Amino acid sequence: DSGVTQTPKHLITATGQRVTLRCSPRSGDLSVYWYQQSLDQGLQFLIQYYNGEERAKGNILERFSAQQFPDLHSELNLSSLELGDSALYFCASSVVAGSYNEQFFGPGTRLTVL
Amino acid sequence: AQSVAQPEDQVNVAEGNPLTVKCTYSVSGNPYLFWYVQYPNRGLQFLLKYITGDNLVKGSYGFEAEFNKSQTSFHLKKPSALVSDSALYFCAVRDIAGNTPLVFGKGTRLSVIA
Repeated sequence: DSGVTQTPKHLITATGQRVTLRCSPRSGDLSVYWYQQSLDQGLQFLIQYYNGEERAKGNILERFSAQQFPDLHSELNLSSLELGDSALYFCASSVVAGSYNEQFFGPGTRLTVL
Repeated sequence: AQSVAQPEDQVNVAEGNPLTVKCTYSVSGNPYLFWYVQYPNRGLQFLLKYITGDNLVKGSYGFEAEFNKSQTSFHLKKPSALVSDSALYFCAVRDIAGNTPLVFGKGTRLSVIA
């Protein structure tokens, strides 16, 4: 158990809908990262927050947004969902941002868009 | 831009034999290098990392990796493979300089056969 929690575990929804994925980092970790894992694209970095502020952006679509709250939990919002958004979404956390510290990954949320 | 290549999609090895999972990287400066393992339906677990110093890094579950700057490689090794080592292995890199996110390879599926 990494100490990073993600809810829900599974999510099934329809095209055009909007969903919210939630992540609680390890106790003491200030930085949260979101990744998308799909069979064809591998593990893609989406976005990073550090202590409530956006720190880095990767291949995140404009339909997707995220935020980190004062209690350090984070939410990833996916809207106008398409079939291609079906994937595993991982959250990871680390003590600080932009360092040599390893990231600790949550168990993931499996999103299925029908 | 930084990148990681894992040239083998699949590695098969007999139980008790040594195993190697290959990784090469590209960064403009000096790298931080990481190996993660993913078991089915689980998040990624940190195995080991190279920051600086000794080129041979020892990690969890008997794994080790050798940093080779001239060949820009960071191959993962284990002297004697176990069936329970069967999983998906990811190499990742980030440049020491600058606020760059961690970049993952596509992953290598290791299958250890009894």
